Amino acid sequence: NAGVTQTPKFQVLKTGQSMTLQCAQDMNHEYMSWYRQDPGMGLRLIHYSVGAGITDQGEVPNGYNVSRSTTEDFPLRLLSAAPSQTSVYFCATSSPGSYEQYFGPGTRLTVT
Amino acid sequence: TQLLEQSPQFLSIQEGENLTVYCNSSSVFSSLQWYRQEPGEGPVLLVTVVTGGEVKKLKRLTFQFGDARKDSSLHITAAQPGDTGLYLCAGGGNAGNMLTFGGGTRLMVKP
Repeated sequence: NAGVTQTPKFQVLKTGQSMTLQCAQDMNHEYMSWYRQDPGMGLRLIHYSVGAGITDQGEVPNGYNVSRSTTEDFPLRLLSAAPSQTSVYFCATSSPGSYEQYFGPGTRLTVT
Repeated sequence: TQLLEQSPQFLSIQEGENLTVYCNSSSVFSSLQWYRQEPGEGPVLLVTVVTGGEVKKLKRLTFQFGDARKDSSLHITAAQPGDTGLYLCAGGGNAGNMLTFGGGTRLMVKP
């Protein structure tokens, strides 16, 4: 089992470009989420989903879109990249009733 | 907005020393988790505490949840270079198991 996978590992964008960060899981977990990690700020929740077809906003949703058409995949879309979105992005999964979250390896994004 | 504050932000110690990391909030959490993160990887869960006053031990690591479920501490006895990493506390109890993270404590243990 691969667990939680994220692609790409690294990405450089120019301001105004769009892209999609991919997240896939083979753990059959209902809950999936996206966090961004910036120095000294821990991880902040961007968007999350409690099941296919259901998404909701987290703490810092502006500039990002998500959709959840299947249990396995939860892509994060940057509509028009800005330098403030330079960060490391982590996808995580969990099951209802379980406290543990399983994190992917992260995508390091730089916007110039 | 629930906030978690971790202290210290950075800690550099010699192998064999003891240390304590603190995680404090003005909010009550239904659970408190501690994660450890290595460079280039995602956080990995160390422990979850759910009951006020609860103490859990994981080898040389001791975790405590405050009686009021607003704070927690992580104590490492006889630190080793392998303990080097970023330690994150996270409060749970939100919809969808979503977590509120502290800012992290970056620990370096020198041989």
